Amino acid sequence: DIQMTQSPSSVSASVGDSVTIPCRASQGISTWLAWYQQKPGKAPKLLIYAASSLQSGVPSRFSGSGSGTDFTLTISSLQPEDFATYYCQQANSFPYTFGQGTKLEIK
Amino acid sequence: EVQLVESGGGLVQPGGSLRLSCAASGFTFSSYWMTWVRQAPGKGLEWVANIKQDGSEKYYMDSVKGRFTISRDNAKNSLYLQMNSLRAEDTAVYYCARGVFSGYMDVWGKGTTVTVSS
Repeated sequence: DIQMTQSPSSVSASVGDSVTIPCRASQGISTWLAWYQQKPGKAPKLLIYAASSLQSGVPSRFSGSGSGTDFTLTISSLQPEDFATYYCQQANSFPYTFGQGTKLEIK
Repeated sequence: EVQLVESGGGLVQPGGSLRLSCAASGFTFSSYWMTWVRQAPGKGLEWVANIKQDGSEKYYMDSVKGRFTISRDNAKNSLYLQMNSLRAEDTAVYYCARGVFSGYMDVWGKGTTVTVSS
């Protein structure tokens, strides 16, 4: 199985900052990677798919990059509604797997 | 409006069974892969199972193989998860989700809670 690692498990930032959240796969997954945002008590929301494609309706301050084993989610000009937990997920092969999540907290 | 609504969760004893349902509306259900994802209390997301548009392919996470069965009824726009031999570690919120390009989940339900406890 492919292991997805998100480290650190939490990051602090202020409104207006830019933040980068990393994700690493245990083996190459090309660009078969998605990013999700989840707020407490809510279902996850797809932000990015195919490593860098922005899901319809998602603000352009969200962007994704990477291929192979190393990926990043970047959020520029943080807004108050962006403070949430972010998960990466590989869709290269079954069983699909998620990272442990990175909680973005207000500094 | 594109929507997924889960039902069937509840409290069940270890070793018991439960059948989850997911009703889809607002899109052509038969055109999409469908997925179950779960989240244990205070934990991260965990992919559980996938089923192809016509039900001909099904995939499961290792810990549920042989105990859980994913199925669908395209005539009823419904997805199911039959869960047998339930364990305490199966306690979670179970989400159904629509799959795009097979592996990405672009529409999610609000989830249904399964609690396995004596």
